[in-house]
Amino acid sequence: DAGVIQSPRHEVTEMGQEVTLRCKPISGHNSLFWYRQTMMRGLELLIYFNNNVPIDDSGMPEDRFSAKMPNASFSTLKIQPSEPRDSAVYFCASSIGGGEGYTFGSGTRLTVV
Amino acid sequence: SQQGEEDPQALSIQEGENATMNCSYKTSINNLQWYRQNSGRGLVHLILIRSNEREKHSGRLRVTLDTSKKSSSLLITASRAADTASYFCATLNRDDKIIFGKGTRLHILP
Repeated sequence: DAGVIQSPRHEVTEMGQEVTLRCKPISGHNSLFWYRQTMMRGLELLIYFNNNVPIDDSGMPEDRFSAKMPNASFSTLKIQPSEPRDSAVYFCASSIGGGEGYTFGSGTRLTVV
Repeated sequence: SQQGEEDPQALSIQEGENATMNCSYKTSINNLQWYRQNSGRGLVHLILIRSNEREKHSGRLRVTLDTSKKSSSLLITASRAADTASYFCATLNRDDKIIFGKGTRLHILP
């Protein structure tokens, strides 16, 4: 298994533009998580899905952020419009569920200028 | 919001020495997990200890859990240069969310 695959690895965009981050979880994992990591705030849970259904999106900063999981093998995190304070590394992780360990992707480093 | 808090924030030791990192948390948990993150990479799951367990081993790693004190420790024995990384504790709360601390930056000196 190739692990959790995220794309792109790096994204530089101008303020106001739409940004879409992509994630392919490990096959057979039922839970998918989006995290954001910054020096100031550390790792923040944004949203997580169980069996493709959003369970808790209370960590999503504001309405500019949205996430979808149309099927078991794909999820997107969209920011529209992007702002400089959204600059961070965004991680996707998947798990078999039940509170077991997560497998993280390599992350997307987002820079909004 | 942060649940676990690692201590110390940064640690430098000589290669071959043991490294101990601590984690404290606030609310009741189902399990506690430790992760490693190398610079510029994603987190890697190291070990999971359940709330009814007190100690667990995996290779050079030893994890303890004291639920009465709401604390855990991660011991890395015979440290190596490749152990240089940030180490995070993460707690699974009753609402099934895993919350990470801010991590301990471990630097192994040659």
